[in-house]
Amino acid sequence: IAGITQAPTSQILAAGRRMTLRCTQDMRHNAMYWYRQDLGLGLRLIHYSNTAGTTGKGEVPDGYSVSRANTDDFPLTLASAVPSQTSVYFCASSPGGHTEAFFGQGTRLTVV
Amino acid sequence: AQSVTQLGSHVSVSEGALVLLRCNYSSSVPPYLFWYVQYPNQGLQLLLKYTTGATLVKGINGFEAEFKKSETSFHLTKPSAHMSDAAEYFCAVSDRARDDKIIFGKGTRLHILP
Repeated sequence: IAGITQAPTSQILAAGRRMTLRCTQDMRHNAMYWYRQDLGLGLRLIHYSNTAGTTGKGEVPDGYSVSRANTDDFPLTLASAVPSQTSVYFCASSPGGHTEAFFGQGTRLTVV
Repeated sequence: AQSVTQLGSHVSVSEGALVLLRCNYSSSVPPYLFWYVQYPNQGLQLLLKYTTGATLVKGINGFEAEFKKSETSFHLTKPSAHMSDAAEYFCAVSDRARDDKIIFGKGTRLHILP
């Protein structure tokens, strides 16, 4: 079934460690997004990419980096994790042109 | 920059009653607007969207929303609530003049009372 795959589904990470959350889509969508979801704060955009080779900062980019080397993959890296990065992370993609986004199932990350 | 405000973090309605979830947007140009639903421990799925044309938009599961430019609103309604509608609902906006960023509101959790 076509869609978005996120890995891992959950992770406990020691503070200060580096972590990459993986996201792959097989829908050939141009745009991809990373959001974090926190209780009472909804979904906040971390980084996005309109097309392969380009990225942009969202609402809460600090402490995170992304790359978009090809259409399908959009990894999110935490260079040095801190407890405030404990969250549920959602990757999404869309065809672009302001069409709707399709979401993965999320990665639950706990930084201790 | 575009933004979305959802009024009420929790809304409770009785089964069979009208559902009304409020969303107001801020955008420098006419926006694209979306409503998503999230069931427990799942990702988000699209309920409906407004792009251009008819301002009353119908979505899945009997939901609909009306784009009102004069009120900068895009409220979500359903005539008769079902127990299965209990979930969290998110309003989102994408600014036509900018790139493909999609900005979400903080969400409204809908509780259905038997």
